[in-house]
Amino acid sequence: AQSVTQLGSHVSVSEGALVLLRCNYSSSVPPYLFWYVQYPNQGLQLLLKYTSAATLVKGINGFEAEFKKSETSFHLTKPSAHMSDAAEYFCAVSEPGADGLTFGKGTHLIIQP
Amino acid sequence: DSGVTQTPKHLITATGQRVTLRCSPRSGDLSVYWYQQSLDQGLQFLIQYYNGEERAKGNILERFSAQQFPDLHSELNLSSLELGDSALYFCASSVRLAGVGNEQFFGPGTRLTVL
Repeated sequence: AQSVTQLGSHVSVSEGALVLLRCNYSSSVPPYLFWYVQYPNQGLQLLLKYTSAATLVKGINGFEAEFKKSETSFHLTKPSAHMSDAAEYFCAVSEPGADGLTFGKGTHLIIQP
Repeated sequence: DSGVTQTPKHLITATGQRVTLRCSPRSGDLSVYWYQQSLDQGLQFLIQYYNGEERAKGNILERFSAQQFPDLHSELNLSSLELGDSALYFCASSVRLAGVGNEQFFGPGTRLTVL
């Protein structure tokens, strides 16, 4: 069975600082990996996805993530945080032939002015 | 705006009651997914329909059921409601099956409060 672990339920960074949100997955087969963002009182919006093409994936709003098979990780980064990045971030996994996403518990990103 | 619509936005009901949540997928999307988001369980996949047929089940209780109609809209029925069913229920849609890595587009959710 697949699973996702997000380290840190809350991450606080200063505006302009590097954002690093950690995600580790467990899957019996090469997975598809996703990062979604949820702003207060809204649904989830896809930031980026990995589907076995390039291991470094660029997404919207300046975010990117690198798939590292040896570390079973898919960490999300952004070089310079902006106040508008404050939100809940979810890492998710699906497997070929399996339907429905398995989500991590989420990381609440706080941006300090 | 993802193009996925859900009604109602908020629903307040009592224990033991039955409610129906409605979802209209993006135009052209054949797959509809239902997810439950609660503080203790997080985001959990409930069930998926593809072109009118049930495709996959996740952690869906027997008290819950869903269907997808010929016009591709979907309804999630929750019965014999308990306090623990209070949660945000999301609908998502995708063009094909998510098993090939397709993006799922999420609706704004229906917040269910059971008193």
